[in-house]
Amino acid sequence: DVKVTQSSRYLVKRTGEKVFLECVQDMDHENMFWYRQDPGLGLRLIYFSYDVKMKEKGDIPEGYSVSREKKERFSLILESASTNQTSMYLCASLLQGSIHEQYFGPGTRLTVT
Amino acid sequence: AQKITQTQPGMFVQEKEAVTLDCTYDTSDPSYGLFWYKQPSSGEMIFLIYQGSYDQQNATEGRYSLNFQKARKSANLVISASQLGDSAMYFCTILYNNNDMRFGAGTRLTVKP
Repeated sequence: DVKVTQSSRYLVKRTGEKVFLECVQDMDHENMFWYRQDPGLGLRLIYFSYDVKMKEKGDIPEGYSVSREKKERFSLILESASTNQTSMYLCASLLQGSIHEQYFGPGTRLTVT
Repeated sequence: AQKITQTQPGMFVQEKEAVTLDCTYDTSDPSYGLFWYKQPSSGEMIFLIYQGSYDQQNATEGRYSLNFQKARKSANLVISASQLGDSAMYFCTILYNNNDMRFGAGTRLTVKP
C-alpha cells in the first residue's frame, strides 16, 4: 500500500528554535514536496525535490530550507522558528512522469509560541 | 510564477443537485496536468480527477467531471447529484514540468439536506 509518513502529527516549538519536519515515502518516487496549508490560502508550495540532493524553491521558501540525502526522505527545516510559521505542513510525493496523483502524508500541525 | 485561481471561497448546494467549482490557471507551458482534490474535515487529501493538457475529451470519474477549456485556461469541476458526504474543501492543482505542482486557494463546498 502506498505510504507517505510524517514524523509528527502535532508539534509545539518556541520562537527561535530550529525545527525539523521529516517525511518518508516508500514508493520509490523521484518527486517530493513540502506545502503549508493556511485557511483561505490553500496549499502553498515551499520547496520541492525531483532527485536526491536536488531542490527547487516554491512560492514561499523564505525562512525554510530542505534536505534530500536519500530518495525516500525529504526534510523541511525551519532555521529559526517564528510565530508566522504556525501552520499545517503537508508532505507529498509523485512518480516522475506520472499522470497519477500525488500521495500525501497526514500532515504536521506546527505551533510556534 | 504559475498561478491557480479559485474564485469561490465557499459554496452551498442542495443535496441531489449538481454544482460547478471554478478553476482558472495561468501558464505558458504547452504541457501540464490538471487535478482536483477533496479535503474533508478529517484533513486527508483525496484525489478526484485528472485531465492532461493534450487530452481531447473532458475527464469523468463517476459523479465528477472536468469541464476543460484550454483556450480559456479553465478547468472547472462538476459534481453531479451532490451528496452530504461531498461537503469538504476542494482544491484545483496543476502539475508543470512533471515535477512542480501548485494548488489553488480552495473552495469550501457545503451540501444542504
